[in-house]
Amino acid sequence: RKEVEQDPGPFNVPEGATVAFNCTYSNSASQSFFWYRQDCRKEPKLLMSVYSSGNEDGRFTAQLNRASQYISLLIRDSKLSDSATYLCVVIANDYKLSFGAGTTVTVRA
Amino acid sequence: GAVVSQHPSWVICKSGTSVKIECRSLDFQATTMFWYRQFPKQSLMLMATSNEGSKATYEQGVEKDKFLINHASLTLSTLTVTSAHPEDSSFYICSASAEPYSNQPQHFGDGTRLSIL
Repeated sequence: RKEVEQDPGPFNVPEGATVAFNCTYSNSASQSFFWYRQDCRKEPKLLMSVYSSGNEDGRFTAQLNRASQYISLLIRDSKLSDSATYLCVVIANDYKLSFGAGTTVTVRA
Repeated sequence: GAVVSQHPSWVICKSGTSVKIECRSLDFQATTMFWYRQFPKQSLMLMATSNEGSKATYEQGVEKDKFLINHASLTLSTLTVTSAHPEDSSFYICSASAEPYSNQPQHFGDGTRLSIL
């Protein structure tokens, strides 16, 4: 079983729609969680950290469910510029990073 | 602005050539940097951990004689792909943070797209 798994998508949504997807992790001792955004042929860029209580940054909301071992990302009022691959990154208690393969989101006009 | 810089961003070389990729932390000292490889539609795979002033730590299955890592200063790590072959073609990315073994997020370099003909 992979340490971090994501639905690869693609999620094709119209502008203005809400899209949400999850990332599951296998190591129950994982302690830090992040969502990165990666555009085609570019490096990953930090989108937001994921806190235990859940957190919001503008149109983006991240949630953590430790009991079920997953994190989620919700994008409200999707923009064309939100089209990208969203990577889930998990840091275990030994500080080793694990990456998901990414979820592709395509926002259409 | 970018806090980790990687150079070059794109390399096209003939088979058998050795290619050096640089990773620099711009506004912090990085005693540890990480090198990854990413194939299309796949996740980043950690290749090795670069440690300033000491030998790199390689992940299982990564040939240390093939992928030479040098971390000669607190702001620079280099990855040399020796005698590169077409199967080495990939997207190579480095990452660093001011606190590598912590819960702080990593900052990634721009990535280097390596194409071996």
